[in-house]
Amino acid sequence: AQKVTQAQTEISVVEKEDVTLDCVYETRDTTYYLFWYKQPPSGELVFLIRRNSFDEQNEISGRYSWNFQKSTSSFNFTITASQVVDSAVYFCAGGTSYGKLTFGQGTILTVHP
Amino acid sequence: SAVISQKPSRDICQRGTSLTIQCQVDSQVTMMFWYRQQPGQSLTLIATANQGSEATYESGFVIDKFPISRPNLTFSTLTVSNMSPEDSSIYLCSVVWTGGNEQFFGPGTRLTVL
Repeated sequence: AQKVTQAQTEISVVEKEDVTLDCVYETRDTTYYLFWYKQPPSGELVFLIRRNSFDEQNEISGRYSWNFQKSTSSFNFTITASQVVDSAVYFCAGGTSYGKLTFGQGTILTVHP
Repeated sequence: SAVISQKPSRDICQRGTSLTIQCQVDSQVTMMFWYRQQPGQSLTLIATANQGSEATYESGFVIDKFPISRPNLTFSTLTVSNMSPEDSSIYLCSVVWTGGNEQFFGPGTRLTVL
């Protein structure tokens, strides 16, 4: 069985602050895939990133960055210089088979102007 | 990336009736899935929609309640049968793209059962 834990239920920041969302993925499998999705108030699920368990290289995309550490099963997501448009629910998800994902409970991020 | 559409986008249904949700992808994809997001909750996988064969259901979901069809590589339907208020959820279609490197979700169907 797999389990995805997102430690923060809700985070509130002021615009331009940096914010990190934590995620821990528990599985007995050595090969797995991790994802982050954004769900804005409009409801659609927006794909942000996919990471393989054998690739621990950190990734940066604009204001977004991801830090994966296999030793601690953590896949944390940092938004630099947050903006109001970043306000959304962010889901971390993981799986060992393509398409069959286990989702965390989500972190509600609110960025205040 | 794949463009996924779902119909209907939302519906309000009476207890005991059934609703069929359609998922259309703009290109052929190997893997299609159906997820459920209950109010204020996370997403849960219902089943894998297999082209040309019966769907594969996850624990807690059965074919009689959630029959699924997938006649080709771009289309699938999910039926929510004999609905009760507990079935009120957002139902999302999902596809795996480019050799598994990305997984996209449709816009969802917001179902309310009275």
